[in-house]
Amino acid sequence: GAGVSQSPRYKVTKRGQDVALRCDPISGHVSLYWYRQALGQGPEFLTYFNYEAQQDKSGLPNDRFSAERPEGSISTLTIQRTEQRDSAMYRCASSFSGTGGGGDTEAFFGQGTRLTVV
Amino acid sequence: RKEVEQDPGPFNVPEGATVAFNCTYSNSASQSFFWYRQDCRKEPKLLMSVYSSGNEDGRFTAQLNRASQYISLLIRDSKLSDSATYLCVVKGDNYGQNFVFGPGTRLSVLP
Repeated sequence: GAGVSQSPRYKVTKRGQDVALRCDPISGHVSLYWYRQALGQGPEFLTYFNYEAQQDKSGLPNDRFSAERPEGSISTLTIQRTEQRDSAMYRCASSFSGTGGGGDTEAFFGQGTRLTVV
Repeated sequence: RKEVEQDPGPFNVPEGATVAFNCTYSNSASQSFFWYRQDCRKEPKLLMSVYSSGNEDGRFTAQLNRASQYISLLIRDSKLSDSATYLCVVKGDNYGQNFVFGPGTRLSVLP
């Protein structure tokens, strides 16, 4: 497909289980971003990659959260030992960041993964 | 202080009204600015980029004031279909920095 694809769309898991959320960005996009969005709030930054390199993970809430993008394309966000407070919409976005600084290329979002921890 | 601040609203306006949203950002080094639109239970989508000289796209006008670190969005002749949440977004000054989103402003256009 032409857009950002996330899977699964919905995930219900029991507290204490590990979950892996997948993001397949738009082909050729250099940058990939992970966000978490609570109802009625804007997307909250978690982490982002340029190619396979994780540039900033300052938004990850704690060490139960990790992300990788080993080949510079598909990315996985993993949450270990899930807790009820992890329940949220997890959104992935990608952008084609051109060479040089700045640039105003937009971020394209996938439809998100709705995670519910019971 | 949050990096990007917006009045959460909701703004309830009649069809045909003009409505303005404001946004302030804290990082003076920010280089790129955007307004995104998010419909209920959907993903955010770009409405328009915001340029230093200000820019217009049909009924939508965006303005940037770097000195005051302030961004605005004006919607003229509001339509029912404009009802959505409008997210102010800033991006850092280096190659590939993350997009920082404001909390969003809810708009309801009433018949």
